[in-house]
Formats: sequence, structure tokens, C-alpha cells
Amino acid sequence: DAGITQSPRHKVTETGTPVTLRCHQTENHRYMYWYRQDPGHGLRLIHYSYGVKDTDKGEVSDGYSVSRSKTEDFLLTLESATSSQTSVYFCAINKDSKIDFGPGTRLTVL
Amino acid sequence: SQQGEEDPQALSIQEGENATMNCSYKTSINNLQWYRQNSGRGLVHLILIRSNEREKHSGRLRVTLDTSKKSSSLLITASRAADTASYFCATYNNDMRFGAGTRLTVKP
Repeated sequence: DAGITQSPRHKVTETGTPVTLRCHQTENHRYMYWYRQDPGHGLRLIHYSYGVKDTDKGEVSDGYSVSRSKTEDFLLTLESATSSQTSVYFCAINKDSKIDFGPGTRLTVL
Repeated sequence: SQQGEEDPQALSIQEGENATMNCSYKTSINNLQWYRQNSGRGLVHLILIRSNEREKHSGRLRVTLDTSKKSSSLLITASRAADTASYFCATYNNDMRFGAGTRLTVKP
């Protein structure tokens, strides 16, 4: 267990509102990732980070931004949530080339 | 687009039978990994095979990798009802990309 926590675990919001999801790791791993999981699509990479203030886009980055001001925290922001962003969001860390996942955040955009 | 694609999308077998899942990918990789996900939970790492390896075993799991065909297979031998889950392949090359998964159901 890499000590990954996500907050909130569940959130319901309305279209057009900003939403920030937080991922926190208790270890000092350099690489962190945000994925979304939807039926029929598996996991798709949104953004990832390879260090403080170092981030890059993944497969489905449109509508999302990220920030990493501290090694232990990786934030995912939906500037203006849309119904298509209803999903389960997983944070993950790279631990010796293996990925450890957080418990997930279920986000519903009405 | 996603890097890996699993085949089949769904597989249903009887307890004791072997289950084989395949994964194809598109670009060069450093390694390929298989993960398992129980319903409503996060993914759990099963096994990693490096690009210079052809086969790897871990308990009842056997993974093969053919880099010339850009494909991998996961074999679960002597399946159990507890193996019921979704299985994902993931390719690693600076970032980690997952396929859509195979849903395995093992009937007791």
C-alpha cells in the first residue's frame, strides 16, 4: 500500500461549476497520474506529473488541468464541469515501474 | 487513443478451466503489465514483463510478450471463482496506458 488517498471520494455537482479533486501520497514518489474510468473505455490517462511543477497531458486532457506544488499532492481541476466528465477518477503513483492506485473518486455532473 | 486493446472483451469459464486473455498495443514499450480490478475497486498490479523478456510466471499466472507482433497474453491456470474480475493490460513508456479490459467470469 503506497498510502494514496483521494478526496473527496464522492461528489455530485452541477454543469458549469469548478471542481477540484485531490490526490495525496505519503511516500516520495516522483511520478503521479490521473485516470478516468468509464464503461467500455477502461482507464484513460488525463494528465501526469514527473515532479513538482512538471506535468504533461495524457490521452483525454481537454477540460482538465492539474497542479503539483508539492511532491505529495497532485490536484485535478475541472474548470467548468460538463456531464461528459461524469466518471470515476483514479489517482496513481509509479512505484518501481508499477502503478499503485488510489481508492477512486466518483464524480457525477448533473 | 488507447495504447492497449484486450481481447476478448468478456470471457466466461467454469472453475478449474484455464483463462487466456490477449492484449495488442501500438507503439514501442519499456514493459507491459497486467492488472486486475474487482468490481468497484481500484486496480491491483499482477505481473510485469520487460520488453526483452518473452515469458514470465507468477503462481497461476503466465504472461507472454511478442514485441514483433506487439502483443501479449495472460494465462490464468486452474481458475477459481475468486478470479472473477476485470483484467487490464498496460504499457509503460514514460507514462502508463491501459486497455479497455477483459471481463472474466469464473462459474463455480
